[in-house]
Parts: sequence; structure tokens; C-alpha cells
Amino acid sequence: NAGVTQTPKFQVLKTGQSMTLQCAQDMNHEYMSWYRQDPGMGLRLIHYSVGAGITDQGEVPNGYNVSRSTTEDFPLRLLSAAPSQTSVYFCASSSGRISGANVLTFGAGSRLTVL
Amino acid sequence: AQTVTQSQPEMSVQEAETVTLSCTYDTSESDYYLFWYKQPPSRQMILVIRQEAYKQQNATENRFSVNFQKAAKSFSLKISDSQLGDAAMYFCAYRSLQGGSEKLVFGKGTKLTVNP
Repeated sequence: NAGVTQTPKFQVLKTGQSMTLQCAQDMNHEYMSWYRQDPGMGLRLIHYSVGAGITDQGEVPNGYNVSRSTTEDFPLRLLSAAPSQTSVYFCASSSGRISGANVLTFGAGSRLTVL
Repeated sequence: AQTVTQSQPEMSVQEAETVTLSCTYDTSESDYYLFWYKQPPSRQMILVIRQEAYKQQNATENRFSVNFQKAAKSFSLKISDSQLGDAAMYFCAYRSLQGGSEKLVFGKGTKLTVNP
């Protein structure tokens, strides 16, 4: 199993450009989420989804859009990139059961630089 | 909203020694989960250990153990017999059980250096 796959691993954008970070999981997980990691800030939740067709905002959603048309995919879109969006982005998924035993499986991360 | 505080931005330990990383959190909930994640230079987030708040027994995973003090809202990680491969950023994280969400709230991390 590939787990959680993020593409691209690295990307450089100019201010105002748009792009999509791709995230795919092959574990049939219901729950998927996007975090950003900035130096000295830990990881902060951007958006999450509890199933196909359902998305919600996290702690830092501004400037990002998401959609969940399939169970497997959860892309993160930057419509007009800003230097403040320079960060490392992580996609994570879990089976979504409320038992609490579930652990988030993280992708390898995508480093985005906005000039 | 819940918050997680890691008061040690950096720590160092000699190989084979023991080190303890601190984590405190703020919540009004009685049931929740706590996690420690390791992030080596490869950037991959790796689960080290987890603790369920309703369990009084401290979790252990081989050389890793926690000291969970629910009343004090403290969740420290002890690494015994430190190895060079333990060098990484360590993040403490909180997960609420309300709303059925898998959302994690992370601390800012502690960078652990292991000296040979």
C-alpha cells in the first residue's frame, strides 16, 4: 500500500499564481485533512473532510479551497498565492471511527515557496 | 479552544542516556487523546506514542513512555537509552473526542539532539 501520497514534493510559485496540491490515499479512509507547518508554529489545520462531499474549515482556512469528490482524493487549491503561504503542507487521513484508536497517517509533505 | 504548549524549543541528550520532553495542554473536556509525533529530517510525521485520557495507566512503547498527569494537564515523553536515530523534532498533539472529528491540535515542537 502506498498510504498517503502527496504531489508535488516541492513547488515554487510567484505571487498571484494558482496551484493545486494533490493528496491521495489508498486505505479507504473516510477522514482526510490538510495541515501547514511553519517554523516555530507546529502544524495547523487548514481544512478537513469527514467523507466524500463533506468539507469543513480548520484553524487557518483563508486563501485555500478544498473539495472531496471521491473517498481517495482531497486536493488543496491556492487560488492566488501569497508569500504568507510559503510553508510545508501535510495531508493526513484516518478511518474516521470515533473509537479514538485511529491514528492519522501523514503524507511526506509538500514544500511550497511563494516569491 | 484547546491549546498545547511545549516549553522546550530544544533539548539535547547523550547517547544511551534518558531525556524527558515536556508538554502541557489546556482543555475543559474530560475525554480526549494525546499523542507524541516524531519528525526526523526526512520530514515524515511518525507516531511515537498515544494516551487515552480515561486510562490512568501511562502508555509505553519500547524505549518511549509517557507521564500523564490528567489533573495537571501534563503529558511528558521519556526516551530511555537514547539513540542517534531519535534525533528529530517531537510534537505533542491533542485530539478531542467531541464531534467525531479527527482534528489534532499540535504544540510548537521540541528539537531533540542526540550527542554521540
